[in-house]
Amino acid sequence: GQQLNQSPQSMFIQEGEDVSMNCTSSSIFNTWLWYKQDPGEGPVLLIALYKAGELTSNGRLTAQFGITRKDSFLNISASIPSDVGIYFCAGLYGNKLVFGAGTILRVKS
Amino acid sequence: KAGVTQTPRYLIKTRGQQVTLSCSPISGHRSVSWYQQTPGQGLQFLFEYFSETQRNKGNFPGRFSGRQFSNSRSEMNVSTLELGDSALYLCASSLSPGLASEQYFGPGTRLTVT
Repeated sequence: GQQLNQSPQSMFIQEGEDVSMNCTSSSIFNTWLWYKQDPGEGPVLLIALYKAGELTSNGRLTAQFGITRKDSFLNISASIPSDVGIYFCAGLYGNKLVFGAGTILRVKS
Repeated sequence: KAGVTQTPRYLIKTRGQQVTLSCSPISGHRSVSWYQQTPGQGLQFLFEYFSETQRNKGNFPGRFSGRQFSNSRSEMNVSTLELGDSALYLCASSLSPGLASEQYFGPGTRLTVT
């Protein structure tokens, strides 16, 4: 079945640094979604991408839908302590929604 | 506007029992989706309901079932519980159907099977 490889698994960065994470797959997806989950809460949708090559920003977050439709990346600029949490990518193909394993982000203040 | 609510928040059951979890979507939202989250398998899609009809279904055995009521509230049932069913079960609601539409997640129900 379709699988997503999300990397890195975890990151420990200095406040103010930029962060980059990505998801790749051997399968093609029609939509890429990026979520953030804080401890004890459900995921929150950050960015949705619907077209190959699309680059979308949401504040300090920027995500891109890869040209091959098999990958996507998320960048966070100038990280702050409240950016800590788990970031998930998800790919949608037809009626199938597949999630990456998540990237744990820890920020040193 | 109140968010998605899930009850109960925590639940402990024994193997072989059945369990019913409840989800109340955001007012006006008619689509409800259910997900299972475990450390080993991550987030996995269970099913989606819209207007009381199941629209999409993930790859879970028939022991997992759900339904949606006319007021859009949804319930999920797991019968003959197994140890591997221990997980955080998340419900998400959205205005329109489709898994790519903006979904708002509840805090989840933590199910422990002993």
